[in-house]
Amino acid sequence: QVQLVESGGGVVQPGRSLRLSCAASGFTFSSYGMHWVRQAPGKGLEWVAVISYDGSNKYYADSVKGRFTISRDNSKNTLYLQMNSLRAEDTAVYYCASSMVRGVIYDAFDIWGQGTMVTVSS
Amino acid sequence: AIRITQSPSSLSASTGDRVTITCRASQGISSYLAWYQQKPGKAPKLLIYAASTLQSGVPSRFSGSGSGTDFTLTISCLQSEDFATYYCQQYYSYPWTFGQGTKVEIK
Repeated sequence: QVQLVESGGGVVQPGRSLRLSCAASGFTFSSYGMHWVRQAPGKGLEWVAVISYDGSNKYYADSVKGRFTISRDNSKNTLYLQMNSLRAEDTAVYYCASSMVRGVIYDAFDIWGQGTMVTVSS
Repeated sequence: AIRITQSPSSLSASTGDRVTITCRASQGISSYLAWYQQKPGKAPKLLIYAASTLQSGVPSRFSGSGSGTDFTLTISCLQSEDFATYYCQQYYSYPWTFGQGTKVEIK
């Protein structure tokens, strides 16, 4: 069964750090670009970051650049998002999602995880 | 960044109605546009990619059209399970951007 399962969310104080994980199964994780997308409560979808299939290319939204780091461990079929210097405006459900086509990052997202909630509050 | 303007932000419709949602990109994106459906508390689901290609398993009452800057999602005969929020997304260039969403509600 093809699936992505996020974990690592929770409540964190402003300025602190959190690392999200996304475990992949049922497909060849190491062949696909992977994204993080977030959704603030009651708001729309916001793309956060992408990493190429081999980890050689990474891009970030301006809103998180310099604070968040995307990475992957293809031996563990796992995607990560290290979030530092967290702000109240980072409060959201964070989804990981896979590109449709092998080796491509400019692509639609056909597999999504169920999301993990991150709340930044003192 | 490419801005995506989606309209309307919400609409009320009845089962059996034909529904149209539009997205306009601030610059040409060829056919690099996807449509997603999201239900409350759930992850988005890919409906259409490459502007008009139906994702496997998606009912044929969903269709997409357009290229360049103007795109349309049409639901030909609205079913009860179609009441949800719909988003368009461009994947032509970094950063990937989404429309603001259209909430389809029961009239």
